[in-house]
Amino acid sequence: QITLKESGPTLVKPTQTLTLTCTFSGFSLSTTGVAVGWIRQPPGKALEWLALIYWDDDKRYSPSLKSRLTITKDTPKNQVVLTMTNMDPVDTATYYCAHRRLASYYFDSWGQGTLVTVSS
Amino acid sequence: QSVLTQPPSVSGAPGQRVTISCTGSSSNIGAGSDVHWYQQLPGTAPKLLIYGNSNRPSGVPDRFSGSKSGTSASLAISGLQAEDEADYYCQSYDSSLSGYVFGTGTKVTVL
Repeated sequence: QITLKESGPTLVKPTQTLTLTCTFSGFSLSTTGVAVGWIRQPPGKALEWLALIYWDDDKRYSPSLKSRLTITKDTPKNQVVLTMTNMDPVDTATYYCAHRRLASYYFDSWGQGTLVTVSS
Repeated sequence: QSVLTQPPSVSGAPGQRVTISCTGSSSNIGAGSDVHWYQQLPGTAPKLLIYGNSNRPSGVPDRFSGSKSGTSASLAISGLQAEDEADYYCQSYDSSLSGYVFGTGTKVTVL
C-alpha cells in the first residue's frame, strides 16, 4: 500500500523560502519509471502541478514557476523535498505530493496535503 | 491558471446521469495525451477516478465512465448518488509546456 505525507511550515512570511518534505512508503524512488510530483491548490481554487522528480533524478518543473522551484530526493530516506523561493501571499495553498507510476502520466496516490499560509 | 476548461458546476437528482466536459487544445488532449479524472470530496485530497481516458482503478464503481474525442474528454456519472457530491478535475499532459495540466474543476451537486 502506497502512502505519502507532506510536512513543513504552516506559516511563512512574504519573501521567505518554503521547504516541504514528502515522506512516503510502499514504493521506492529507485524503481525504474517511478516519479513523485508536487501539486498545489489555493483555497477554493483548482489544482496546479508544480514539479516532478523521476527515479533517475530527472526533474520537471511548471514553466510559470520554474525559476522559484527546486525538487530533490533522498532515496534511502524515502523522501522528496520541494523548495519554493520568494513566497508571496498568492502562494497560499494546500500543497500535495503524489506518486506517479511507471509509464503513466497521472497520479495514482496522493498525500493528505499540507496548508501553507503566506502572511506577514 | 488552468489549461483545461470544465464547467464550474453540474447538478442532478439522485439516480440521474450527469456529464462533465473537459476541453483542451492541440498541445494536450488533441495531441493524443490521455485524460485522467480525479474526485475531491470536501476537505480531502484528490483521488484518482479514471485513468487513460476510460479506465477505472480498482474500487471505483462502474457508475463512473470516461471518454475522449478530439480535443475534449468527458466524465459521466450514472445513477447519481448523494456521496458523489464533490469536485471533479480532469488532467492531461501538455507537450508544449512539457508538464502536467489540470482542469478548472467542476462541482457536482446532488439535488
